[in-house]
Amino acid sequence: SQTIHQWPATLVQPVGSPLSLECTVEGTSNPNLYWYRQAAGRGLQLLFYSVGIGQISSEVPQNLSASRPQDRQFILSSKKLLLSDSGFYLCAWSGLAQGYQETQYFGPGTRLLVL
Amino acid sequence: QKEVEQDPGPLSVPEGAIVSLNCTYSNSAFQYFMWYRQYSRKGPELLMYTYSSGNKEDGRFTAQVDKSSKYISLFIRDSQPSDSATYLCAMSFNSGNTPLVFGKGTRLSVIA
Repeated sequence: SQTIHQWPATLVQPVGSPLSLECTVEGTSNPNLYWYRQAAGRGLQLLFYSVGIGQISSEVPQNLSASRPQDRQFILSSKKLLLSDSGFYLCAWSGLAQGYQETQYFGPGTRLLVL
Repeated sequence: QKEVEQDPGPLSVPEGAIVSLNCTYSNSAFQYFMWYRQYSRKGPELLMYTYSSGNKEDGRFTAQVDKSSKYISLFIRDSQPSDSATYLCAMSFNSGNTPLVFGKGTRLSVIA
């Protein structure tokens, strides 16, 4: 079966500090990977998606960046966090896998609070 | 007009009630429709996945798509307190293996 991990689960960071959130997927090959942010009352906002190693599409211009160094690893980064970066960050995967629909499956999320 | 509209609620119902959750959308090119359930402080989990118009049933859950009206629904029969969560609709143009467009979610509380 497929499993998606995210860490850390919770993070409190000062404004201006760097950020690195990691997402890994097990049990599937060549997945599409996605980063979303969910702020209170604002729904899910797609930040980045990737169809392969080194291939990143950015949906929203901001001070965040994403990288995919390995097939099943997706990293969200920032050099300097802003207060507005606070939120719940979700990683998702999609692809062809037995027993799974061809749609997105989400990880447990990382709650980020920037102070 | 937003691409996908979903009433945020909150919706509060007694245990055992039939719940109806709805989304409307503006782009007739959407072909694939999904419902996700999200418990507080957890990631969304896929509940229902449908293609084009029609109904799909899975246990107490029924998903309905009316493409002519650009309207999708999720019905929950015999609602339980464990159904208390936020329900998100989502849709896409091609197969689900592409970025999805989400509604903002409806918060549901089922009172015992």
